[in-house]
Amino acid sequence: EVQLVQSGAEVKKPGESLRISCKGSGYSFTSYWISWVRQMPGKGLEWMGRIDPSDSYTNYSPSFQGHVTISADKSISTAYLQWSSLKASDTAMYYCARHRQGPDAFDIWGQGTMVTVSS
Amino acid sequence: DIQMTQSPSTLSASVGDRVTITCRASQSISSWLAWYQQKPGKAPKLLIYKASSLESGVPSRFSGSGSGTEFTLTISSLQPDDFATYYCQQYNSYSRGFTFGPGTKVDIK
Repeated sequence: EVQLVQSGAEVKKPGESLRISCKGSGYSFTSYWISWVRQMPGKGLEWMGRIDPSDSYTNYSPSFQGHVTISADKSISTAYLQWSSLKASDTAMYYCARHRQGPDAFDIWGQGTMVTVSS
Repeated sequence: DIQMTQSPSTLSASVGDRVTITCRASQSISSWLAWYQQKPGKAPKLLIYKASSLESGVPSRFSGSGSGTEFTLTISSLQPDDFATYYCQQYNSYSRGFTFGPGTKVDIK
């Protein structure tokens, strides 16, 4: 079965760092891009950025550039989304998603990771 | 940046109704448009890609059309499982991102 499995919910304080993960299985991880999508409570979907796991090339939405870092470890078929200094406004559900082929729609989604940032 | 709009933002309908949702892009995106369905507490699900191609396993009552700047998602006969929020997404220029529309919530009339 093709799937993306994300790491569990996180509760952090403002200023803390965090890395969440997304592990692909059932397919060739390096053959498909992975994107990260934010959904703030009660709000819509926002594309954050994507990575090509074959060479770790990334590009980001201007709204998220400089605020998060996307990376991947192809040896363990895992993509990451990380923050160096969280803010309360980072509280959201974060999804990883696989692109169909290259710059294409997202056909497989992770189950989501809820990140709560509160003092 | 390419901006996406959807109308209506909320739609009240009954089982069996034909439902149409419109998505507009701020500039031409050819046919590089996808539609997703999201239910509360769940990840989005791909329904349509390349404006009119039905994703494998998606019921045929879902269809998409359009090109350029205006697109529609049609549900030919609304079923109880279809009450959800629907998002369009453009992917015309990946260097500019994969922008989502604001969503259309389909609820029970």
